[in-house]
Amino acid sequence: NAGVTQTPKFQVLKTGQSMTLQCAQDMNHNSMYWYRQDPGMGLRLIYYSASEGTTDKGEVPNGYNVSRLNKREFSLRLESAAPSQTSVYFCASRGNSYEQYFGPGTRLTVT
Amino acid sequence: SQQGEEDPQALSIQEGENATMNCSYKTSINNLQWYRQNSGRGLVHLILIRSNEREKHSGRLRVTLDTSKKSSSLLITASRAADTASYFCATAGIFNDMRFGAGTRLTVKP
Repeated sequence: NAGVTQTPKFQVLKTGQSMTLQCAQDMNHNSMYWYRQDPGMGLRLIYYSASEGTTDKGEVPNGYNVSRLNKREFSLRLESAAPSQTSVYFCASRGNSYEQYFGPGTRLTVT
Repeated sequence: SQQGEEDPQALSIQEGENATMNCSYKTSINNLQWYRQNSGRGLVHLILIRSNEREKHSGRLRVTLDTSKKSSSLLITASRAADTASYFCATAGIFNDMRFGAGTRLTVKP
């Protein structure tokens, strides 16, 4: 089992560019999450998907969109990147227990 | 806004000593979890304590929960250099929405 995988690992964007962060899990989990982590801070929830076909906003959804493509995959899209979106992005999934499993993260820099 | 707040922000100890980290939160919770993050990596789940539990153990980890004070503590006994990491508490509300604190950065010196 690979667990939760994320691509890319690193990305540099110019202001206004768009990109999609990919996340996949092979644990047959229903719930998936996107977080961002800024220096000295904990994780803040951007969007989550409680099950295939549903998505909901978290604490900081502005500037992002998500797609739950199927049970395995949950992507995060930045339509017009801004320097304030420079952060490390983590995807996570959860099965029937409360424990969340995290991917290795994507380090995004917007110049 | 963040739900949990860890204290201290940073902790430096010698190998073999115990490390205690505290977490305070603001609203009612279903459960509280502790996660570890090694530098540059994703978070790894350590232990979960439910709102009706007061203490839980897992190996060298001991977690307590005081719902009347809205606080929790994580004790790592006989620390090792490999325990060097950031530790986060996360609270889950009744809708299982998770809120993470800013973390405690633990350094264990060999």
